[in-house]
Amino acid sequence: AQSVTQLGSHVSVSEGALVLLRCNYSSSVPPYLFWYVQYPNQGLQLLLKYTSAATLVKGINGFEAEFKKSETSFHLTKPSAHMSDAAEYFCAVRNQAGTALIFGKGTTLSVSS
Amino acid sequence: KAGVTQTPRYLIKTRGQQVTLSCSPISGHRSVSWYQQTPGQGLQFLFEYFSETQRNKGNFPGRFSGRQFSNSRSEMNVSTLELGDSALYLCATTPGYGGENTEAFFGQGTRLTVV
Repeated sequence: AQSVTQLGSHVSVSEGALVLLRCNYSSSVPPYLFWYVQYPNQGLQLLLKYTSAATLVKGINGFEAEFKKSETSFHLTKPSAHMSDAAEYFCAVRNQAGTALIFGKGTTLSVSS
Repeated sequence: KAGVTQTPRYLIKTRGQQVTLSCSPISGHRSVSWYQQTPGQGLQFLFEYFSETQRNKGNFPGRFSGRQFSNSRSEMNVSTLELGDSALYLCATTPGYGGENTEAFFGQGTRLTVV
């Protein structure tokens, strides 16, 4: 069965610093992986998705993620954090039937000036 | 085009009551999934509907049910509410059924508080 684990429930960075949010997956089949962002009292917005076309995936707002099969990881990065990046981030994998998303517990990103 | 619309945004109910939440998908989207989000359990899949049929179900008690109408709008119902049902309920829609790399579009959610 598929699953994802997000390491670190809370990450704090300074404005302009590198953002690194970690996600490891477990899947018996090639995974379809997603990163979503959630702002307070809002739904989820897709940042990027991995579809096996390329291991380095670029998303919105300057975020990108690299799929590493050998490490079963799909970490999210951004070279320079902005205050507006403060939010909760979720890594997710589609279940084998393709009918549901399985989410990690989420990582809250705080950005200080 | 309009996004996924969930109504109401906020709801307060008493233990033992029942509640119905609504989700209107993006035009042309025929699959609707529901998720429960709580601080303790995170985001958990409830069920998915496609063409008015429940295609997949998560691990929730029978008090949680749903349906989908011919226009793809979906409702979920929770009967005999418990304090633990307090959560943000999110619906997500996709154009078709399945599709491993298909992006799901989420609504803003309904915040249910059970007192």
